[in-house]
Amino acid sequence: GAGVSQSPSNKVTEKGKDVELRCDPISGHTALYWYRQSLGQGLEFLIYFQGNSAPDKSGLPSDRFSAERTGGSVSTLTIQRTQQEDSAVYLCASSLAGDQRETQYFGPGTRLLVL
Amino acid sequence: GENVGLHLPTLSVQEGDNSIINCAYSNSASDYFIWYKQESGKGPQFIIDIRSNMDKRQGQRVTVLLNKTVKHLSLQIAATQPGDSAVYFCAENGNTGNQFYFGTGTSLTVIP
Repeated sequence: GAGVSQSPSNKVTEKGKDVELRCDPISGHTALYWYRQSLGQGLEFLIYFQGNSAPDKSGLPSDRFSAERTGGSVSTLTIQRTQQEDSAVYLCASSLAGDQRETQYFGPGTRLLVL
Repeated sequence: GENVGLHLPTLSVQEGDNSIINCAYSNSASDYFIWYKQESGKGPQFIIDIRSNMDKRQGQRVTVLLNKTVKHLSLQIAATQPGDSAVYFCAENGNTGNQFYFGTGTSLTVIP
């Protein structure tokens, strides 16, 4: 079946502009995660959605970052007033029920470059 | 935060040899671990997982070993192939909160 998809695959923007990144999880998966991966680094947790519960935003680095998930499916990660240090690969993952002992499946990522 | 680290950042092996990638974790409460493979320009791809009630699990050409006593995880790849060249990450669930904790990765290069 279809995996996790993300768009755009690449995004170049100017410092100070806002960007929106989109994630389509695997159909039927109730849990959705956003991670950030800087060059040569591991994955940094950003935010977690599970069903209709309030999202876990504990990983968002600043109030310039926000995310929403509409209808329990598609999610959008928004970065306002982008800074050069926001340049990274933004990865989305989904899992069936969000259980801590359950595999997360990743999308291909969006490569963001802030000039 | 959690400390999930790898002993070697890079590893080069001859095609056909076996590869061993190691990972140390710090949270003794973690009870679920995953190995991911990430090829250039792609997202991480699930390889194999293991729960803490096991010390070994085998997949197709891959084996994961878990030593809870020393909090060590390893991934063994048999008969390594050029297509195995990638960055390999281990992840632990920390058994707390909603996130997984990822190591920085080991870059595996297979020499034809």
